Amino acid sequence: NAGVTQTPKFRILKIGQSMTLQCTQDMNHNYMYWYRQDPGMGLKLIYYSVGAGITDKGEVPNGYNVSRSTTEDFPLRLELAAPSQTSVYFCASSVVLPGGTDTQYFGPGTRLTVL
Amino acid sequence: EDKVVQSPLSLVVHEGDTVTLNCSYEVTNFRSLLWYKQEKKAPTFLFMLTSSGIEKKSGRLSSILDKKELFSILNITATQTGDSAVYLCAVVGNEKLTFGTGTRLTIIP
Repeated sequence: NAGVTQTPKFRILKIGQSMTLQCTQDMNHNYMYWYRQDPGMGLKLIYYSVGAGITDKGEVPNGYNVSRSTTEDFPLRLELAAPSQTSVYFCASSVVLPGGTDTQYFGPGTRLTVL
Repeated sequence: EDKVVQSPLSLVVHEGDTVTLNCSYEVTNFRSLLWYKQEKKAPTFLFMLTSSGIEKKSGRLSSILDKKELFSILNITATQTGDSAVYLCAVVGNEKLTFGTGTRLTIIP
């Protein structure tokens, strides 16, 4: 298993440009998540998905969109990039285990700079 | 709104010391609490805790959960320079994780 993979690893955008951060997992996990981590800060949840076709907002969804057409893929879209979106973006996935316990697996991250 | 607070924010100790990191939480429909270690890139999983009073142990690291008082601690004994990292606490509730801001641990040789 490759686990959770993210592309690209690095990207520089100009203000107003758009891009899609890709995330794929091959573990057949139901749950997928997008986080952003600003320098010196904890992770903040942007969007999450409990299964194909179902997405929901996290703490900081403004400026982002997601879709979940398959179990494996959970792309994150930035439509009009702003400097405030400069951050490291982590995708994660998890499976709900019997008893309601949960462990997340993280991708390697995408470092995005908006100038 | 779910909330996870970690303390201290940063900690500097000498190699060989023992450290205790704290995590308190307020979350709806608590399911589990997780500890992660983050060095330069993605967090790596350390422990998952679901039951009060049962210590999880891995080498020099151990952790315990108190669901009545809503907190967890992560202990590291005989610290080494390789333990220098940010330690993140996260709580699972209502199908998502809420992370604390982390404790930055620095081990001085």
